[in-house]
Parts: sequence; structure tokens; C-alpha cells
Amino acid sequence: QVQLVESGGGVVQPGRSLSLSCAASGFSFSNYAMYWVRQAPGKGLEWVAIISYDGSDKYYADSVRGRFTISRDNSKNTLYMQMNSLRREDTAVYYCAREVVTAMGSWLDPWGQGTLVTVSS
Amino acid sequence: QSVLTQPPSASGTPGQRVTISCSGSSSNIGSNTVNWYQQLPGTAPKLLIHRNNQRPSGVPDRFSGSKSGTSASLAISGLQSEDEADYYCAAWDDSLNAHVVFGGGTKLTVL
Repeated sequence: QVQLVESGGGVVQPGRSLSLSCAASGFSFSNYAMYWVRQAPGKGLEWVAIISYDGSDKYYADSVRGRFTISRDNSKNTLYMQMNSLRREDTAVYYCAREVVTAMGSWLDPWGQGTLVTVSS
Repeated sequence: QSVLTQPPSASGTPGQRVTISCSGSSSNIGSNTVNWYQQLPGTAPKLLIHRNNQRPSGVPDRFSGSKSGTSASLAISGLQSEDEADYYCAAWDDSLNAHVVFGGGTKLTVL
């Protein structure tokens, strides 16, 4: 079945770096744009970064631009997020999600189970 | 502060019908379709409604969506205890550097 599995979360000190991965299975990964969406504790959803199906286009939320880098390896069916200069406000569960695009609209489905990133000294 | 506006909470008793509103603007809901996500406690968001009113396979027909102008609504009829969850609306936004925007979420309590 279509599945996304994140990994790489953990506790990291402010200013340090962390790398997240999202392994995709059950679909043609190279045909889909992918998202990272995060959710701070007790808060709502916030898109963080987007990468096009071939990795040629990348977009970032203002809150992470210049510090986070999204990338993908279509040969490994894997999405990545390199997070540098982490701040306490980056503490959140990070989800990867597939963007489904049709002529009538787009949506995110499925979502991974999420990986928790805690930025704390 | 979220781009799309949802009430923070809603409630109903089993069997009741509840609605959750989602208000946006011309650059998001006004010009793009609306999706709804259900997040059960301790789990990841799951697609509930796409393209305003389309249910993915496996979603009960108790859930329905609608859109008018710059607002959208999610209706849940025959409320069940397992419907207790957070519900998020979302839409793509045509403004500069904005892609998907979310509502702040509505916590639905089944009394």
C-alpha cells in the first residue's frame, strides 16, 4: 500500500543540525511533488518545504528559508530535510506528505506517521 | 495565526449533526478547492475530504464538505464517539510564496 515513513527526529541543541528522511513505498515516488509539514506541540499544521517531482523546484516557508534544505533521491524513493541552525521554535512533529494533483485541485495524501524534533539545551 | 479561520472547538452528542466552518480569502478558498483533514488523537493527519466535497475511498458518507465563495464547511452527521478528533481545512494559496495554507484546526468533542 501507499506508505510514507519518516525517521531522523530527536533532541538537538539550539544552533545545531539534524537531518530527516522520509521513505516512500507503494507508488511511483518520482512522479509526485512532496511536502514537509510540521506541527508544534498543541498547535496546528504549518507547511515547511515543498520539492517538485524531479527536485528542480523547491519552496520554503519564511520561517525556515535559509536554514532548512529539502531534497530527494528518486532512485532511493526517499525525501530528505536538512535542518541547520535549529531554534527552539522549530520543535515540532515533522510529517512528510505526497501531493496529489488533478485538473480539479490538489491535496496531500498520504501523510507519514511523523517524527518528533525537539530543540532544547 | 493561521491563514484560514476555523472555530477552535465544536461539540455534539452521538447521532447529532455538527458543522465546522472555514473562512479564507479570494487568493485561497476563493480560487482553489478546499480539503479537510482529520487528526485522531496521537496520530498523523488523514485526508477526509478533497476538492471541496469528494470523499476518498473508505471515508463514511456521514462526512460531507461544501464551499461557497471564500468559505467552506465540513458537516458530520450521525455523530459517533470515534469522530472525536481535530479537523483542519486547507487550500492552496495563489499569493506570493504561499502554497498550501491551513486552518488553525477545530477540536471536535463528542459529549
